[in-house]
Amino acid sequence: QKEVEQNSGPLSVPEGAIASLNCTYSDRVSQSFFWYRQYSGKSPELIMSIYSNGDKEDGRFTAQLNKASQYVSLLIRDSQPSDSATYLCAVTRDDYKLSFGAGTTVTVRA
Amino acid sequence: GAGVSQSPRYKVTKRGQDVALRCDPISGHVSLYWYRQALGQGPEFLTYFNYEAQQDKSGLPNDRFSAERPEGSISTLTIQRTEQRDSAMYRCASSPRDSFSYEQYFGPGTRLTVT
Repeated sequence: QKEVEQNSGPLSVPEGAIASLNCTYSDRVSQSFFWYRQYSGKSPELIMSIYSNGDKEDGRFTAQLNKASQYVSLLIRDSQPSDSATYLCAVTRDDYKLSFGAGTTVTVRA
Repeated sequence: GAGVSQSPRYKVTKRGQDVALRCDPISGHVSLYWYRQALGQGPEFLTYFNYEAQQDKSGLPNDRFSAERPEGSISTLTIQRTEQRDSAMYRCASSPRDSFSYEQYFGPGTRLTVT
């Protein structure tokens, strides 16, 4: 079992819709959780961090964490063509060694 | 302010040569990380420094790989006797690692091609 698993994608959503991305992790001791956005040919860009159970909202992005079920999700509301990218889920138990999923590619159709 | 910078951005080398990849972290960031990213995959941890101390090198694939950060700022990842399987994107990240944030910020990466 991989340490961090994400929807294989690709995920295609119409402009203005909600994109929902899921991530599960295997290490129960994981403490910190991050979502990165990576445009094609570019470096990962941190868009959300979440450390405690519940929801965290930042603009059009909402991260949801459920440690008991070992999943973290990212919702992108009012999706825009500029949101088209690969989204990487990252998890760490020790606050330095990030374990990444393979990413979910999102395409927003205009 | 300036982000993480890496040089060179692209490196083509012949099998058996040594290469040195450089990372300059965000000013004031005490922690520095090296990752390797294969196409279609997320970054994979290689090693981590807190100030000048290498705290974890468990992700380095073998003893041909080494890293240093002698003055607690710029870091160099060195690969000796390169092999074709070393071809990848090498990414550096830095973090302030204060009590409120363990967020890591990535540089643009160095694309290494071993021919």
